[in-house]
Amino acid sequence: SQQGEEDPQALSIQEGENATMNCSYKTSINNLQWYRQNSGRGLVHLILIRSNEREKHSGRLRVTLDTSKKSSSLLITASRAADTASYFCATDAETNAGKSTFGDGTTLTVKP
Amino acid sequence: EAGVAQSPRYKIIEKRQSVAFWCNPISGHATLYWYQQILGQGPKLLIQFQNNGVVDDSQLPKDRFSAERLKGVDSTLKIQPAKLEDSAVYLCASSLRLALLGEQFFGPGTRLTVL
Repeated sequence: SQQGEEDPQALSIQEGENATMNCSYKTSINNLQWYRQNSGRGLVHLILIRSNEREKHSGRLRVTLDTSKKSSSLLITASRAADTASYFCATDAETNAGKSTFGDGTTLTVKP
Repeated sequence: EAGVAQSPRYKIIEKRQSVAFWCNPISGHATLYWYQQILGQGPKLLIQFQNNGVVDDSQLPKDRFSAERLKGVDSTLKIQPAKLEDSAVYLCASSLRLALLGEQFFGPGTRLTVL
């Protein structure tokens, strides 16, 4: 089974609203990453957060990590239609460094 | 900087036929990954190379799938013979080195349809 599981599976919001996606995982990790995938394209790396970090920002993205709950969240503020995509979390387990395990993603639709 | 290149972009074959995919990673990237992404799911790692050695191929169906990375640069993934359930996007990714930094750079993928 996948290490990371995203929630919700699908999210639909209006442009300008914030979007929050969550990721839960099972085993201890070295780091957790979020990727975006536009329809029919490859994945694009968004942000990496290490296990000793609790929060990271990159532009309109904010990622939090709670290792005690084995969960992470990705917040996209002031969403745009161009943010419409699937978002995946990927975890690098402590026991298997360098191997990222992906969840099945959250599909975000931002309506103009 | 050029990204990860993959070819072909699309391939349609009949079951029991053979198919091969090619990947050229970003120059200088030691680690190369092949993923299978079935529609509606996340990428699943098939095989991971460090230079030209295999690091992890535990999820590669070795009775029909094979992969190589000669000279530690380009890589090919082959399916022989293909089954209907092999219909998926095959993604190649590369990263600077194995382990802890984690960021992978993905190619556009090859969409395989098996009829």
